[in-house]
Amino acid sequence: QVQLVQSGAEVKKPGSSVKVSCKASGGTFSSYAISWVRQAPGQGLEWMGGIIPIFGTANYAQKFQGRVTITADESTSTAYMELSSLRSEDTAVYYCARDHGLVVVVAALYYYYGMDVWGQGTTVTVSS
Amino acid sequence: EIVLTQSPGTLSLSPGERATLSCRASQSVSSSYLAWYQQKPGQAPRLLIYGASSRATGIPDRFSGSGSGTDFTLTISRLEPEDFAVYYCQQYGSSQTFGQGTKVEIK
Repeated sequence: QVQLVQSGAEVKKPGSSVKVSCKASGGTFSSYAISWVRQAPGQGLEWMGGIIPIFGTANYAQKFQGRVTITADESTSTAYMELSSLRSEDTAVYYCARDHGLVVVVAALYYYYGMDVWGQGTTVTVSS
Repeated sequence: EIVLTQSPGTLSLSPGERATLSCRASQSVSSSYLAWYQQKPGQAPRLLIYGASSRATGIPDRFSGSGSGTDFTLTISRLEPEDFAVYYCQQYGSSQTFGQGTKVEIK
C-alpha cells in the first residue's frame, strides 16, 4: 500500500522560500503523477502543480507560474515543492497527492485518474 | 482555466436522505476527466469518484457520479452519519482545478 509522508511544519518570514518534501513508500513512485494541493485556513482546495517522475517535467497552475518549482528524485522516491517570495496569503496546509493514472512511456503519455493517495499535509505559516 | 462552480454551498439533510451535489464547468471537461473528493475536518481529501462516474477503490455504492460536458452530479443515495463532510469536484482534463466545495451538514 503506497503511503506519502511529508516533511514537518514550517514557519517562514515574508519574502523567503519554503521547500516541502513528500516521500513515497510501499509502491511504484516513478510511474504516477504527483500533485501539490494547498488549503488555506477555512478555504477550499487549490491545485498548484504536478510532476510525472518518469518523464521529469512539471506543470504548474498559472497562478503559481514563476513562484513554484516541483521536482522529483526517483532514487529516493521523493517529490519536492518549493514556493518562493512567500507572503501571508501563502499560509496554508500543503498536501502532496498521487494520481492513480496510467503511463504509456513509449508514447510519452499519461492518463489521469484522480488523486487516490494523499500525504498527511504540511502546515506552512508565513508571518513576520 | 476551467472554473468549476459547485452548488449548493451548503446542504442540510438528515441521515437516510438522498444528497444531490452539482458541479458546473465554465467549459466542457474533456473525456469526462472529473473527480469528486470528500474531506472531513483535519483530514486530507479522499477520492470518491473519477472519470465522472467510476467509484474509487473501497468507496460504498451509495456514492455515484454522473454527467458529461459541463454538468456533473454526485449523488449519495442514503446519507450515513459518516457522510457529513465537505465535497469537492475537480477537473483534470485541462490543467487541474477544484470547485469551491459543498458542505453536507446534519439537519
